[in-house]
Amino acid sequence: GAVVSQHPSWVICKSGTSVKIECRSLDFQATTMFWYRQFPKQSLMLMATSNEGSKATYEQGVEKDKFLINHASLTLSTLTVTSAHPEDSSFYICSARVDSREQFFGPGTRLTVL
Amino acid sequence: DAKTTQPPSMDCAEGRAANLPCNHSTISGNEYVYWYRQIHSQGPQYIIHGLKNNETNEMASLIITEDRKSSTLILPHATLRDTAVYYCIVRVATSGTYKYIFGTGTRLKVLA
Repeated sequence: GAVVSQHPSWVICKSGTSVKIECRSLDFQATTMFWYRQFPKQSLMLMATSNEGSKATYEQGVEKDKFLINHASLTLSTLTVTSAHPEDSSFYICSARVDSREQFFGPGTRLTVL
Repeated sequence: DAKTTQPPSMDCAEGRAANLPCNHSTISGNEYVYWYRQIHSQGPQYIIHGLKNNETNEMASLIITEDRKSSTLILPHATLRDTAVYYCIVRVATSGTYKYIFGTGTRLKVLA
């Protein structure tokens, strides 16, 4: 149980385009979802916290107009990287949680912006 | 504002116990310590968590010092598949929810 999926697993896009990443909790309803970014050989950095039906809470330094988060249901959250640039290339990982339990992480999405 | 400090890397012989230390000297009384591991290019996998008492599950044991300023994750019989980056995390309460503050992690290499 407690499986979280992400789609796509990898994506390559041109500079200036937008990319949408989906995060789904497959066998449970998540009260909260989180989005992280991880650069090569670095740790995970929390970008934002997302609760179903409400606006996401962004961490300091994360541009909310560039990284759009929609949490439409208890099993789906999406992250859209708008007007992507090469410096946005990274490994994006989501996680989902029920109440105060541990977070379950998705497999990650590798974004490469050319 | 990382709240944990870990050695960057460790080696362990296959079959032996792997002891991974973590310092969290600024932890608050109601903040939990979580451990996850990440195998290359995958999402982190939950291992164990604790608040004050030592904890054990089928994967590992977690030893937390009495003053809660440090902890040790113990993999009792390391295998080659335990090679991964291990993250010691403090869960903090903020704005009505909980979030993880990841440390820099320890890259554990299990040697045959």
